[in-house]
Amino acid sequence: GAVVSQHPSRVICKSGTSVKIECRSLDFQATTMFWYRQFPKKSLMLMATSNEGSKATYEQGVEKDKFLINHASLTLSTLTVTSAHPEDSSFYICSARDSRTVNTEAFFGQGTRLTVV
Amino acid sequence: AQTVTQSQPEMSVQEAETVTLSCTYDTSENNYYLFWYKQPPSRQMILVIRQEAYKQQNATENRFSVNFQKAAKSFSLKISDSQLGDTAMYFCAFMKGGTGTASKLTFGTGTRLQVTL
Repeated sequence: GAVVSQHPSRVICKSGTSVKIECRSLDFQATTMFWYRQFPKKSLMLMATSNEGSKATYEQGVEKDKFLINHASLTLSTLTVTSAHPEDSSFYICSARDSRTVNTEAFFGQGTRLTVV
Repeated sequence: AQTVTQSQPEMSVQEAETVTLSCTYDTSENNYYLFWYKQPPSRQMILVIRQEAYKQQNATENRFSVNFQKAAKSFSLKISDSQLGDTAMYFCAFMKGGTGTASKLTFGTGTRLQVTL
């Protein structure tokens, strides 16, 4: 099946610094990718929809200036957590679908565990 | 807006037995898809089964099958011959149809399934 690679899998950063998370579709093109956040033992909450070549669409309550999304190519979307604080510590997951098919399956990255100290 | 409800936070089943996980949803859409995803301890999201709303026949994938009741907006997952490897968090998800790869998933709160010896 299709593969979505997310990097890094774990990151620890100091409060006030920025962290970039990459999401790559390895064997398919994705005009749209999705970024989710998951708290411990909780569900996945959609943060934003990343659109190739245009601005991301953020869900209500998500600060666009804090969670910067860039989708510069058909295979790469990045999420940058700016000026990170401990409350940003969470598990972040991306997903993508193959743009060339009508297959509805979404493929997920392995996730990134962010810890802000 | 769509909502997905999973009323069972935790379930337990003995190996080789059958278990059913419940899911209900609310939507005014007529064209949509429903999914069950599995999230094992590795936290990688894995698609278990998919159902198109326009199909009356219940989807099956080996030991996994669904009971899709469109009028009741119910979408339960039955796992037959449970195996230890089925131990995971299971999420029910909804996706509106007709918008291609830009369609986002709405997840339920999840059911933690423990398969015991």
